[in-house]
Amino acid sequence: KNQVEQSPQSLIILEGKNCTLQCNYTVSPFSNLRWYKQDTGRGPVSLTIMTFSENTKSNGRYTATLDADTKQSSLHITASQLSDSASYICVVSAYSNDYKLSFGAGTTVTVRA
Amino acid sequence: EADIYQTPRYLVIGTGKKITLECSQTMGHDKMYWYQQDPGMELHLIHYSYGVNSTEKGDLSSESTVSRIRTEHFPLTLESARPSHTSQYLCASRLAGAQETQYFGPGTRLLVL
Repeated sequence: KNQVEQSPQSLIILEGKNCTLQCNYTVSPFSNLRWYKQDTGRGPVSLTIMTFSENTKSNGRYTATLDADTKQSSLHITASQLSDSASYICVVSAYSNDYKLSFGAGTTVTVRA
Repeated sequence: EADIYQTPRYLVIGTGKKITLECSQTMGHDKMYWYQQDPGMELHLIHYSYGVNSTEKGDLSSESTVSRIRTEHFPLTLESARPSHTSQYLCASRLAGAQETQYFGPGTRLLVL
């Protein structure tokens, strides 16, 4: 069973609307959590990183939240644009010598005009 | 834009052929990784390296091999390609340290007929 579960698997929103993506994890001991954006045919690009003590981090129209107690994170996209159409991947790092990364399967967001 | 490159971007090849996927980075990163990604699925680590002459197998069993003769170069080789090797292969690199960002290349999409 994957240690990082994302929901929904996919969603469609109209341009200008907001949406929220969810990430639940069981990775332990927790080091940090990142959200990556992966455009079709490209490699993932880091959007935000949060450590245990941080509960919110913004990058432009992207705002990530973290609840380390419930092991949940969300990524909120505000005023969506067509360029936001992509897969968003939640990545959790375990605190160990290797800082091993565990990847979610991603949420595919489609923004329509 | 990350300075990490992969070639070829797309490859269609017949069963039994030997192939090498190239990955190079100009950021001076010691740590490099190869991931396999199938549509709608999470990334799976197949190989990693922590420096020159250091290579390790990842979590996902793979028939591929890697080498790290130079810091900037981390090629992946399949001695005899099979249809089951059809997938997207992503190369990544990062500096040491828990909070360091992992940068991904654009990926190689491989189709074995």
